[in-house]
Amino acid sequence: GAGVSQSPSNKVTEKGKDVELRCDPISGHTALYWYRQSLGQGLEFLIYFQGNSAPDKSGLPSDRFSAERTGGSVSTLTIQRTQQEDSAVYLCASRGTSGGGADTQYFGPGTRLTVL
Amino acid sequence: KNQVEQSPQSLIILEGKNCTLQCNYTVSPFSNLRWYKQDTGRGPVSLTIMTFSENTKSNGRYTATLDADTKQSSLHITASQLSDSASYICVVSGRGNNRLAFGKGNQVVVIP
Repeated sequence: GAGVSQSPSNKVTEKGKDVELRCDPISGHTALYWYRQSLGQGLEFLIYFQGNSAPDKSGLPSDRFSAERTGGSVSTLTIQRTQQEDSAVYLCASRGTSGGGADTQYFGPGTRLTVL
Repeated sequence: KNQVEQSPQSLIILEGKNCTLQCNYTVSPFSNLRWYKQDTGRGPVSLTIMTFSENTKSNGRYTATLDADTKQSSLHITASQLSDSASYICVVSGRGNNRLAFGKGNQVVVIP
């Protein structure tokens, strides 16, 4: 079946503009994660959705960042008033079971965001 | 301080040679450790997963080891191929925790 898909693959925007990044998880996966990967850095956790539970937003770096997951499937990460330091690859991952960390997260190809 | 440290940060090896990547972690209590391979421009792909009781696990030419007492893991690549050029990321999961701790990755470049 299809893996995790993300769009757009690349996004160039001007400082101060808003951007929306989309993630389509693997069908049936209840858990969805957003990460940020800056050049030369490890993956940075942003937000985690699990079923109908309230999302874990503890990794969001500022109130300019928000995410939604509609209908328990597709997720959108929104960055308002983008700054140059927001430039990074934004990765989405989904996982199949309802709890625990034992199951593999399957990653999408990422969206490379460049803020000019 | 990062809970997962990887070394070397980067290395260049000749095609056909072997190499070993190291991962040290401080995550506790420990649940499992994964090695992911991330090709340039792609998302990470899982290579191996190891739990507390496992010492060695192989996936083709990749062999991972785990010493849960010293909190160390290694990934050994045998008879490297050009397609092994990638970043190898060590990921540790704590027990009862849905969040993962990521290393910064070992950047491997295989040259002919």
